[in-house]
Amino acid sequence: SQQGEEDPQALSIQEGENATMNCSYKTSINNLQWYRQNSGRGLVHLILIRSNEREKHSGRLRVTLDTSKKSSSLLITASRAADTASYFCATDAEYTDKLIFGTGTRLQVFP
Amino acid sequence: DGGITQSPKYLFRKEGQNVTLSCEQNLNHDAMYWYRQDPGQGLRLIYYSQIVNDFQKGDIAEGYSVSREKKESFPLTVTSAQKNPTAFYLCASSISQGWGYEQYFGPGTRLTVT
Repeated sequence: SQQGEEDPQALSIQEGENATMNCSYKTSINNLQWYRQNSGRGLVHLILIRSNEREKHSGRLRVTLDTSKKSSSLLITASRAADTASYFCATDAEYTDKLIFGTGTRLQVFP
Repeated sequence: DGGITQSPKYLFRKEGQNVTLSCEQNLNHDAMYWYRQDPGQGLRLIYYSQIVNDFQKGDIAEGYSVSREKKESFPLTVTSAQKNPTAFYLCASSISQGWGYEQYFGPGTRLTVT
């Protein structure tokens, strides 16, 4: 069964607006990662947050993690057309040794 | 430049033929992975390898085979036993296997079998 589920499945916004996407998972995790995938390309790592962290920032990205709710959110501030991509969360559940990817959120940023 | 290369970018095969997808990395990473991605879907793990000459099945290994004879190379063979092989295949590597390590991805190979 899928460990991570992103919400919404698709999101359309104007340049300059903020984009928020969420990830929920089912079992306890060691850490959670977010990746970006441009259409037809490989994935690019964005940020990793460990289970004992609540918030992490990287440039215009802000990631939060709520282990009690088994959820994470990725906020992209002041979005740009170049942010148009699919965004995936990936978790490595306790007692496993591999990442499990969610189904992704497709973000469209209009200029 | 360090990175992961996959070739070819597009591959077309007839049903019943085996096909091998190439994956090479010069990042000196120990762990390598193969994923399959179907339209609108997330990634599913096919095989992974932590060290040379050792690999493990992922969630959807049936119909696929791999080898890890060199640290830099992790080729994937899609056999005729794979019932629905048309998909986008992604190779990745990480410093080590397990939690806490980001994965670096190649550009992918889109395989079409008719």
